Amino acid sequence: EAQVTQNPRYLITVTGKKLTVTCSQNMNHEYMSWYRQDPGLGLRQIYYSMNVEVTDKGDVPEGYKVSRKEKRNFPLILESPSPNQTSLYFCASSSPLTGGSTKNIQYFGAGTRLSVL
Amino acid sequence: AQSVAQPEDQVNVAEGNPLTVKCTYSVSGNPYLFWYVQYPNRGLQFLLKYITGDNLVKGSYGFEAEFNKSQTSFHLKKPSALVSDSALYFCAVRGGATNKLIFGTGTLLAVQP
Repeated sequence: EAQVTQNPRYLITVTGKKLTVTCSQNMNHEYMSWYRQDPGLGLRQIYYSMNVEVTDKGDVPEGYKVSRKEKRNFPLILESPSPNQTSLYFCASSSPLTGGSTKNIQYFGAGTRLSVL
Repeated sequence: AQSVAQPEDQVNVAEGNPLTVKCTYSVSGNPYLFWYVQYPNRGLQFLLKYITGDNLVKGSYGFEAEFNKSQTSFHLKKPSALVSDSALYFCAVRGGATNKLIFGTGTLLAVQP
């Protein structure tokens, strides 16, 4: 089954304790992205990757890091989490170059709800 | 700058009645427009898109959307609402060559039995 898988689904942590949220897709998509969802703000892009070893900042990158060493994986790293990073996070992927009729569609993971105390 | 507006935080409709969820956009160039739906504790699911062609776009679960260039709108519609349609709906526009989606703030659709 084609899917984007995020782990963990729920995470409670404390300020300053490094964490990683994993994201993996099995659709051979070139493009991957991280969003955060906050009430009244919709989804905002944190980082994106157009392909392996190519990453770039989105609209709200402060406090986050990403890497894209393999095509299928795109982990989100919070080196020193703070309470303002409490949010619902989504990973997404798409195939803008070779996806045919689906190339403009982004597929989302189920989300990771993070609470930073 | 590209942007999307969803003027209603919540839309209430009775089951069996038609529903409309509003979206307006601001883009430079031709817009790529999308609707996504989010059910509780789930990720976003693609409903439909407008790239080019017919202004009326049909999508999943009986939803459709009408692209109106002069009014810069892309309203989501369904002729007969179901209780199971109750969810959070997001309109989005693709932001340039980066493939980024720019989302509206979302509209909660509540369908009463």
